[in-house]
Amino acid sequence: AQKITQTQPGMFVQEKEAVTLDCTYDTSDPSYGLFWYKQPSSGEMIFLIYQGSYDQQNATEGRYSLNFQKARKSANLVISASQLGDSAMYFCAMREGGTSGTYKYIFGTGTRLKVLA
Amino acid sequence: EPEVTQTPSHQVTQMGQEVILRCVPISNHLYFYWYRQILGQKVEFLVSFYNNEISEKSEIFDDQFSVERPDGSNFTLKIRSTKLEDSAMYFCASSRDPQETQYFGPGTRLLVL
Repeated sequence: AQKITQTQPGMFVQEKEAVTLDCTYDTSDPSYGLFWYKQPSSGEMIFLIYQGSYDQQNATEGRYSLNFQKARKSANLVISASQLGDSAMYFCAMREGGTSGTYKYIFGTGTRLKVLA
Repeated sequence: EPEVTQTPSHQVTQMGQEVILRCVPISNHLYFYWYRQILGQKVEFLVSFYNNEISEKSEIFDDQFSVERPDGSNFTLKIRSTKLEDSAMYFCASSRDPQETQYFGPGTRLLVL
């Protein structure tokens, strides 16, 4: 079973508009973390935002916010006022505990966002 | 702002050859990771490393792979005898604490011919 599901392989948004990228997750661990990374065409992975499972408020970082709905197991990324430079692949990831006490990330399949001028 | 660096950015090798991918994690980070991303696919965990030992490894990380911290700054991934299917982007990541955010390097794009 998929632990991280991103159902939108591709999205378009008009410049200056807001866009929501969907992410649902599956875990039985009460303590977990959810992350969004941006991957531009150059290939690097850029950390955007983090939400902890016990955080009471939705995370925000500048134009990025995370719409965290714990009961629905969703952690959608909202980008406000889209810019042309936001065009990239976006990955949702979940921190999952291992038996060793270190944590690995499980990634979704990504959503490719294209911002239109 | 401190960042994870990786060298080389691109590597082309012949099948069966050994490759070593290098990473310099953020200096005060203690936990190190390798991930890979086959072209067009999602990022997959390979291995985590702490206190000079492998903490966890995935099924992908078989006997052909090894990791090492040869000195106080570098963290390397070695593939002993490369296969065509090893062609991928390899990302190194580091974190200060296992529950803190992992910061990724820019990746090494490996092409096995």
